[in-house]
Amino acid sequence: AQSVSQHNHHVILSEAASLELGCNYSYGGTVNLFWYVQYPGQHLQLLLKYFSGDPLVKGIKGFEAEFIKSKFSFNLRKPSVQWSDTAEYFCAVNDFGNEKLTFGTGTRLTIIP
Amino acid sequence: GAGVSQTPSNKVTEKGKYVELRCDPISGHTALYWYRQSLGQGPEFLIYFQGTGAADDSGLPNDRFFAVRPEGSVSTLKIQRTERGDSAVYLCASSPLGGSRESTGELFFGEGSRLTVL
Repeated sequence: AQSVSQHNHHVILSEAASLELGCNYSYGGTVNLFWYVQYPGQHLQLLLKYFSGDPLVKGIKGFEAEFIKSKFSFNLRKPSVQWSDTAEYFCAVNDFGNEKLTFGTGTRLTIIP
Repeated sequence: GAGVSQTPSNKVTEKGKYVELRCDPISGHTALYWYRQSLGQGPEFLIYFQGTGAADDSGLPNDRFFAVRPEGSVSTLKIQRTERGDSAVYLCASSPLGGSRESTGELFFGEGSRLTVL
């Protein structure tokens, strides 16, 4: 069964710092990859997704992620974080043709003004 | 604009009781999903509906859990003989074309129903 690892459980950064959150998945077949974000007091929402094509995908609010198939990774990056990026970030994957999303345990990001 | 609506937002019950959690998806969304999120964990898949039918219920932990979507819109997750280990946030999500070639893969989540079993 597919599994997702997010090694950073809690990340604390100052505003304007660069961000990279790690995500690795276990199954090597054709996959779809997602990052979801949950801001304090809000519901989960999609940040960005990869289905095929250019392995560097751009999402909302200046976030991007790079799919590296050989490393089974889909790391999330942002060059300069803002206080409003404080949230919990979840990486998720589903196998092609399978509607079941498997989520990682999440990374809590705290931005210090 | 109406998003995914879940009721109740909070439910406290005693061990052994029966619980129903309701999900009202975004109008027109054919696919509906239930996930469960325990403390410190990511959402865990329970069941997926395409229209009225459960297309994948492989995530339901045991036969105490059951979900229905009789008219292809509102769904109810039913938990019998609740146990303390059932305490979690139950998330519902919908998507417009889940499972189809046109599917964007994006799930629209509700705010969840927090279940506490004492």
